[in-house]
Amino acid sequence: AQRVTQPEKLLSVFKGAPVELKCNYSYSGSPELFWYVQYSRQRLQLLLRHISRESIKGFTADLNKGETSFHLKKPFAQEEDSAMYYCALRYFGNEKLTFGTGTRLTIIP
Amino acid sequence: EPEVTQTPSHQVTQMGQEVILRCVPISNHLYFYWYRQILGQKVEFLVSFYNNEISEKSEIFDDQFSVERPDGSNFTLKIRSTKLEDSAMYFCASSGRSRSNYEQYFGPGTRLTVT
Repeated sequence: AQRVTQPEKLLSVFKGAPVELKCNYSYSGSPELFWYVQYSRQRLQLLLRHISRESIKGFTADLNKGETSFHLKKPFAQEEDSAMYYCALRYFGNEKLTFGTGTRLTIIP
Repeated sequence: EPEVTQTPSHQVTQMGQEVILRCVPISNHLYFYWYRQILGQKVEFLVSFYNNEISEKSEIFDDQFSVERPDGSNFTLKIRSTKLEDSAMYFCASSGRSRSNYEQYFGPGTRLTVT
């Protein structure tokens, strides 16, 4: 069964410090991994996906199949990064997204 | 930019009553979804819908649940006889057709409270 684990419910980081939000997954095939973000009073929106291999708002995430991880990183946190972050998995050819429990990131000014 | 809309934003109902949650997906999208999030828990997939049929459903989506696309714009989730444990945030999502447009766009959610 596919499962996504985000070990940190809460994470506080000072402005300007590096950020890493952890995500591990369990799945036997080739998954597609995503990070979704939900800012205060806004809807869930896609931040980035592993197949795009791009940086969005300074965030990057690399799929590590050996460690089954897809950690989200940003070298210098900004106050506007405060939000709820969800890691999600989907296997190729399927539509269903499996979400982790989310990490609430708070950037301390 | 087009968005998925959902109504109502908050619905309060008594146990045993039927509720219909409404969604208007993005107009040129062909895949539609419902997810729910019980307070403090993860977002869970309920059902996906394509070409006027359910394409996949989770074990949560039992006989109490049904989905419909009654016209060209609305996508509804009906819960026939609500239970206390149906209290949750319900999210509708839609996505386009081509492989390059697989992103699921989420609505703002409907908070369902069953008393």
